[in-house]
Amino acid sequence: DVKVTQSSRYLVKRTGEKVFLECVQDMDHENMFWYRQDPGLGLRLIYFSYDVKMKEKGDIPEGYSVSREKKERFSLILESASTNQTSMYLCATRRGQGAKRGEQYFGPGTRLTVT
Amino acid sequence: QKEVEQNSGPLSVPEGAIASLNCTYSDRGSQSFFWYRQYSGKSPELIMSIYSNGDKEDGRFTAQLNKASQYVSLLIRDSQPSDSATYLCAVNTPGANNLFFGTGTRLTVIP
Repeated sequence: DVKVTQSSRYLVKRTGEKVFLECVQDMDHENMFWYRQDPGLGLRLIYFSYDVKMKEKGDIPEGYSVSREKKERFSLILESASTNQTSMYLCATRRGQGAKRGEQYFGPGTRLTVT
Repeated sequence: QKEVEQNSGPLSVPEGAIASLNCTYSDRGSQSFFWYRQYSGKSPELIMSIYSNGDKEDGRFTAQLNKASQYVSLLIRDSQPSDSATYLCAVNTPGANNLFFGTGTRLTVIP
């Protein structure tokens, strides 16, 4: 079974703080993703990575950055947290090739509150 | 036009009935299609994948794909209260690294 873990289930931070969210997968998947999910807005892609040290912007990258130094680990960084970044953050991984191509697996999520 | 569209619901069915969830997509070149189940406060869980036209069955779940009409559906037979969740449709299009997700259909199974 694919296992995707995220560093925290719940996080409370203050406005202006730098926030690190970590995601680790154990399935050697090439692709990793960060989404945020808000009521009524669905899943929105922030950033994704298709290889170590490679990253691409998603639909809403403003205010975020990412880091992928190792294949199994993908970090999301909020440089200066703001209240409008209060959300559920979801990491996902996906196999790049093979019979189950495209199947994407999510971590448990981090509910971030910025006060 | 959104890439993937679903009725937001809510859809209510009695226990034991068949729940039918539908999804349409805009890119005719799409090749891979997925259904996720998401319980309130939890992350999405992959429950079905379908890659070719026709039906694919897995237990009480059947995914149906019709590429000519650009729709994919999920049928849940003998619906149980534990099936109450939001169901997300996702589509993979050629050349795109990410999946396109619908906004989800909320299903409630009434005991």
